[in-house]
Amino acid sequence: GQQVMQIPQYQHVQEGEDFTTYCNSSTTLSNIQWYKQRPGGHPVFLIQLVKSGEVKKQKRLTFQFGEAKKNSSLHITATQTTDVGTYFCAGTGTASKLTFGTGTRLQVTL
Amino acid sequence: DTEVTQTPKHLVMGMTNKKSLKCEQHMGHRAMYWYKQKAKKPPELMFVYSYEKLSINESVPSRFSPECPNSSLLNLHLHALQPEDSALYLCASSQEGITGVNYGYTFGSGTRLTVV
Repeated sequence: GQQVMQIPQYQHVQEGEDFTTYCNSSTTLSNIQWYKQRPGGHPVFLIQLVKSGEVKKQKRLTFQFGEAKKNSSLHITATQTTDVGTYFCAGTGTASKLTFGTGTRLQVTL
Repeated sequence: DTEVTQTPKHLVMGMTNKKSLKCEQHMGHRAMYWYKQKAKKPPELMFVYSYEKLSINESVPSRFSPECPNSSLLNLHLHALQPEDSALYLCASSQEGITGVNYGYTFGSGTRLTVV
């Protein structure tokens, strides 16, 4: 079945440093979504990418969808303590099911 | 209203108990989902309802029984659960059912279930 892996599993940064998480699917995706889950919270939808090579920005967050539509990345510029949480990508494959990636847990300290 | 409401927030049940989890949304979303999430793991899809019909069952054991009484409500009936079923159970909804296009999911805050 479809597998979606993310690296790294965990990253600890100092506030102000940049952060990137990478998402790789075993199959071609029709679209990719990104979610953030704060500790003790629930996933919150951030964005969806549909087109090959698409790049979208939300303030300090930049999302990319690979040309082959099998990978994606999320880059955060100048992290803040409010960015703490686990970031999940989630891809829609041929079965039209949304499969969550393994997640990257981000810790930000002052 | 842009929320998905889940009740109860916490539930402790014995292995012989019967209980139900409830989920409600008033965003007009026609697709609703149950996910199970273990600690430090991603959410795992259990069931998908599209236009009040069960469209996906991810080979979930029959001790979990979903129900969609109407387009706003989703229930998950629990019976004879095992301790390994302890997890966060998340309900979600979205604009479109499984037609090859997914829209962003709105998740509820979940029910933290402990089976003793």
